[in-house]
Amino acid sequence: DAKTTQPPSMDCAEGRAANLPCNHSTISGNEYVYWYRQIHSQGPQYIIHGLKNNETNEMASLIITEDRKSSTLILPHATLRDTAVYYCIVRVNTGFQKLVFGTGTRLLVSP
Amino acid sequence: DTGVSQDPRHKITKRGQNVTFRCDPISEHNRLYWYRQTLGQGPEFLTYFQNEAQLEKSRLLSDRFSAERPKGSFSTLEIQRTEQGDSAMYLCASSLVVWGSFNEQFFGPGTRLTVL
Repeated sequence: DAKTTQPPSMDCAEGRAANLPCNHSTISGNEYVYWYRQIHSQGPQYIIHGLKNNETNEMASLIITEDRKSSTLILPHATLRDTAVYYCIVRVNTGFQKLVFGTGTRLLVSP
Repeated sequence: DTGVSQDPRHKITKRGQNVTFRCDPISEHNRLYWYRQTLGQGPEFLTYFQNEAQLEKSRLLSDRFSAERPKGSFSTLEIQRTEQGDSAMYLCASSLVVWGSFNEQFFGPGTRLTVL
């Protein structure tokens, strides 16, 4: 699986958009970008994934650059409950599907 | 609650003792995964099951670790002769794998092990 690079921490004001970047310059053509988050004392939670098109669901939006070497997870209106560690993971979508987590970005949403 | 459950949530043991953790996946999920997470790090893969078959084990899973999923439903992870380095959060996840489609992994709350 390709490696990812994320900033260790970010701050965001409640109600504002949180934009979390991820670099994955060695991503292969058949590898997807996945985002999970882990709220304190809980297991990781799936957020969203994509291959090359931008994706949106009820939790977030995922913007993938045209060259697929980086992506941004957008939480459009961050709340205090979005305070968590966010993990960007790249891997193929077939076969054995273990998740290889890095250290992620610790997002702190403040009032 | 129909999510992944783990028992116990916390376990404190003395070095050298054996411990066993249980994971109950989401009903009908055919894959079950075990991960370990130490402080400040992301979860690390340990092993996974497809139904009752254990298909892959990480090199992190030493001989003191054994996992089972006897009937393809719940799973147990046993650590024998625990060491202080085994102190970590042990996470279980499950997924329903259907060929050709995406399947997310649903995680349980974890079992936090402290070895004194």
